Amino acid sequence: GQNIDQPTEMTATEGAIVQINCTYQTSGFNGLFWYQQHAGEAPTFLSYNVLDGLEEKGRFSSFLSRSKGYSYLLLKELQMKDSASYLCAPTGGGNKLTFGTGTQLKVEL
Amino acid sequence: DSGVTQTPKHLITATGQRVTLRCSPRSGDLSVYWYQQSLDQGLQFLIQYYNGEERAKGNILERFSAQQFPDLHSELNLSSLELGDSALYFCASSGGTGTGANYGYTFGSGTRLTVV
Repeated sequence: GQNIDQPTEMTATEGAIVQINCTYQTSGFNGLFWYQQHAGEAPTFLSYNVLDGLEEKGRFSSFLSRSKGYSYLLLKELQMKDSASYLCAPTGGGNKLTFGTGTQLKVEL
Repeated sequence: DSGVTQTPKHLITATGQRVTLRCSPRSGDLSVYWYQQSLDQGLQFLIQYYNGEERAKGNILERFSAQQFPDLHSELNLSSLELGDSALYFCASSGGTGTGANYGYTFGSGTRLTVV
């Protein structure tokens, strides 16, 4: 089976840095995706990690530790539009993604 | 435009009725996935098809069924609808083969179903 744990909610200030953690247990793990979902909209792809370490892409970076079953998404220079739900999704057998319940991030002035 | 097309965008129907949701995957993608998302809830996996065949099943009710056609579009049929079936239904597609981000999911914009 699959088990994914993320904080339910986080609040941060515009311009700040926030780290969203995700721990997972899954069989047939290949890699881990992060998606962003604004309320009522479709999830959109943010990042994919297959090897241990940090992947940086603009304001967003994602880290993976396969041995620890741990990942985090780092958002820098927060903007109001970053207020959204962030979904951790490890891959399982058959390339099937399982989504966590997501972390609702609220960016305040 | 993500390349995954879902119709209709909105659907309002009465309890006990039957509806069909349609999804056209991104060009070249062989896998189609259906998800249900109720208000303030996470994405619940329903079912996956790969090149016309059922590949994986999640917590899909017996009142729900799906299929993928030879042209790779998919339909999700919901019958004997109940108030609790009101939700956003997302379709996603992926390459289904290969490695890496190639098999990441691309989501359609969803169908918002309201059962009254």
